[in-house]
Amino acid sequence: EVQLVESGGDLVQPGRSLRLSCAASGFNFGDYAMAWVRQAPGEGLEWVGFIRSKQYGGTTEYAASVKGRFIISRDDSKSIAYLQMDSLKTEDTAVYYCTKSCGGDCYLYKSWGRGTLVTVSA
Amino acid sequence: DIVMTQSPDSLAVSLGERATINCKSSQSVFYSSNNKNQLAWYQQKPGQPPKLLIYWASTRESGVPDRFSGSGSGTNFALTISSLQAEDVAVYYCQQFYSSVVTFGQGTKLEIK
Repeated sequence: EVQLVESGGDLVQPGRSLRLSCAASGFNFGDYAMAWVRQAPGEGLEWVGFIRSKQYGGTTEYAASVKGRFIISRDDSKSIAYLQMDSLKTEDTAVYYCTKSCGGDCYLYKSWGRGTLVTVSA
Repeated sequence: DIVMTQSPDSLAVSLGERATINCKSSQSVFYSSNNKNQLAWYQQKPGQPPKLLIYWASTRESGVPDRFSGSGSGTNFALTISSLQAEDVAVYYCQQFYSSVVTFGQGTKLEIK
């Protein structure tokens, strides 16, 4: 059974940094692209970005709203995906979901974690 | 980026009746390489993560009840629940996965009338 468990969410001041982790199990992590999707309180889903599998270069794509501030990485030896968030803004407040895609370079998100809450406030 | 627009924003339907949610994309999401529309539908219940219901516009994910169906092609799509059950109360989102820059519709809140 696929399991994705996010951690690292916290209350942080604007301008500070935070790193989220997504621990994966139940599948061959290295074969799949992983993505992050966020949801502000009471709002809809917003794609944050994703990282391809090493077979597809391990390259990343980001939403314009986070490009230059957020970095997604992966450690295939530990089956963990990371979201490094720098220069945080109040509008980054959201539940952050980790998702497993349908392949190494696939943009369909078949499995989701339960999310971790990031609150950016002074 | 491809803009996804859902209608209506909210919908109230009686138990046992049909519910239909529409989704329109700002450009075609038909992928000629696999001859499929790169369109998915998700269901999100309060306090839960989204759950994949439908992909390739009309393929039900494993375990999804057959009262859920998807249709459409190109830029116009629909999610239909043939006979609404109480457990179907949720927010539904469409998503295009044609582009690596994934986009979602704004969501449609489905309630019981």
